[in-house]
Formats: sequence, structure tokens, C-alpha cells
Amino acid sequence: GAVVSQHPSRVICKSGTSVKIECRSLDFQATTMFWYRQFPKQSLMLMATSNEGSKATYEQGVEKDKFLINHASLTLSTLTVTSAHPEDSSFYICSASRTGGFTIYFGEGSWLTVV
Amino acid sequence: KNEVEQSPQNLTAQEGEFITINCSYSVGISALHWLQQHPGGGIVSLFMLSSGKKKHGRLIATINIQEKHSSLHITASHPRDSAVYICAVTDFGNEKLTFGTGTRLTIIP
Repeated sequence: GAVVSQHPSRVICKSGTSVKIECRSLDFQATTMFWYRQFPKQSLMLMATSNEGSKATYEQGVEKDKFLINHASLTLSTLTVTSAHPEDSSFYICSASRTGGFTIYFGEGSWLTVV
Repeated sequence: KNEVEQSPQNLTAQEGEFITINCSYSVGISALHWLQQHPGGGIVSLFMLSSGKKKHGRLIATINIQEKHSSLHITASHPRDSAVYICAVTDFGNEKLTFGTGTRLTIIP
């Protein structure tokens, strides 16, 4: 079964509203999680590194005030897309690894549509 | 910054054929990952390599560190293997993944 769970799998929201996506590690603690974005037919792009108990580290070009990341516990990281615009419509996916482990576990992904 | 290239971008083959997907990168890495992404978007990690060769079922992954090149092979391909296969690398001292553009594989019955 899944070891990293992401919710919701699909969400439609209106322009200007905010939407929160959750990423949970189910049977291990993850001090670090990663958030990615993928546009249709394009490669995954790392948005930010989520660090438990501290601020997220954002990749160049990613607006930290627009994509709020909170990693409040060792098993949960959230990505909030604030003041969503249609161009934020995309596939968002998270990943985590067990401490000292080699396998990367991905969440199921979340399809966001902003109308 | 590591540049990761995959070839081919698209591959269509008949069921049963032997499949090879290639990945090359520009800078030395700590590990290379092969991922499989299905049409619904979900991603599964197939292999993590730092040297040599790994096999899992019909899948084989190899890496040549000196040549900065990796291959993913699928033997006796099956329609359920149809997916996008993505190569990704991690640099030394860094858990971040840098992704290739992916190879869209279609296996025809």
C-alpha cells in the first residue's frame, strides 16, 4: 500500500481562492519532503523543500508567498496555493524518503484546476 | 546544475519486444533514479542506482558512472508497461531530484 498519501487527488477552485494540499508519510517520519509541479506533457519541476519545524526552501522562480508550505509534524506537509489563478492549474505531487533510506516515495498527486 | 537528457522521447513497440530507454547526465551524481508515471499521474520509484546493475522482475537498470549514462531495459514488454519513464538524479550532498523529460512508452498488444 501507499506509504506517502496525498489529498485531495483532484480539486477545482475559483480564481482568487486558496486551496490546501496535504502530503502525509504513513508509516515513517519524514524530516524532509519535496513538492513538485508538472504541467501537461512536461517534466516534473521541484518547487520547494519542506523541512519539519523550519521554513521551506523554495526553488528559484517559485513565489513563497503564493505557495505556502507548512511542515508542522514529522508526518505531514501541506502546500497552500493562495489567491489561485487559472495559470496555477497543474499537477502537484510530493515525495519523501525514510531517514537514511534510498527509495523515494511519491504521493498520488493532486490535479488542481482553477476556474 | 545537472542537465539530464533522455532518449527516445516517445517509443512505441509491439508486445514482447525488448525495450531500452537511455539517460545521460552532465555532472557527477550521488544516485540515479528510474521512475514510472502512469496516465493518472501517480509515480512509482523503480530503481535507485549509484553503480552497476539492478534487476527487478522484467526490469533491468544499469549505470556507467564514468560515461554518465544509464539505461532502463524492459524484457518481454507488455501493454501494462505503457507509461512515462523518468530518469532523475541527485547531486552529492543534496537530496533534490533533477528530472529528465521522460520517455513515453506505448506497448501495442
